[in-house]
Amino acid sequence: QVQLQQSGPGLVKPSQTLSLTCAISGDSVSSNSAAWSWIRQSPSRGLEWLGRTYYRSKWYREYAVSVKSRISINPDTSKNQFSLQLNSVTLEDTAVYFCARIFYGSFAMDVWGQGTTVTVSS
Amino acid sequence: EIVLTQSPGTLSLSPGERATLSCRASQSITTNYLAWYQQKPGQAPRLLIYGASTRVTGIPDRFSGSGSGTDFTLTISRLEPEDFAVYFCQEHRNPPGTFGQGTKLEIK
Repeated sequence: QVQLQQSGPGLVKPSQTLSLTCAISGDSVSSNSAAWSWIRQSPSRGLEWLGRTYYRSKWYREYAVSVKSRISINPDTSKNQFSLQLNSVTLEDTAVYFCARIFYGSFAMDVWGQGTTVTVSS
Repeated sequence: EIVLTQSPGTLSLSPGERATLSCRASQSITTNYLAWYQQKPGQAPRLLIYGASTRVTGIPDRFSGSGSGTDFTLTISRLEPEDFAVYFCQEHRNPPGTFGQGTKLEIK
């Protein structure tokens, strides 16, 4: 059974960097049949896909246009996890952040982390 | 970018009744890559249906998805108490697309 466990701080100051980690069990971050995503949810923006990383002979990273200039998603094969970094955060980045697996049998997000509430505040 | 509009915003029904939730796309989703998720308070979304009509293993058969092009429907044939939640549709293309704003299914 695949499980995702999120970790990271719940409070970030404006202009600083939001950093979260998603640890994978029951699958591999290097899997050729999955991609590893970050999604956020807020009352104002709803559910918003932020980006993903996946391995197909080499590592790929794809990001949503809305955050492309500020985001980085990176795999860590030694720990079987992946991370999110969002730079220069503002109050609008306050949201619940989820990691999720995209399974290439469906291209849908079939396994989700538990969610992390991140508040941007000074 | 495709915009997904869900209706109604809130649906009030009683256990045992049939629920019909709609998701309309601003342009045709030609691959029928339309997914439905259920979300309960304080939890992550849970994938129910993908490819418009394929039920995820372990999801009860009272949940069914249908539709094509721009109009998609999630039907819950007989509501159980645990079905009252918020439901989202998503265009699950590659790379992932947008989510609808959600339909809240509440107990009448």
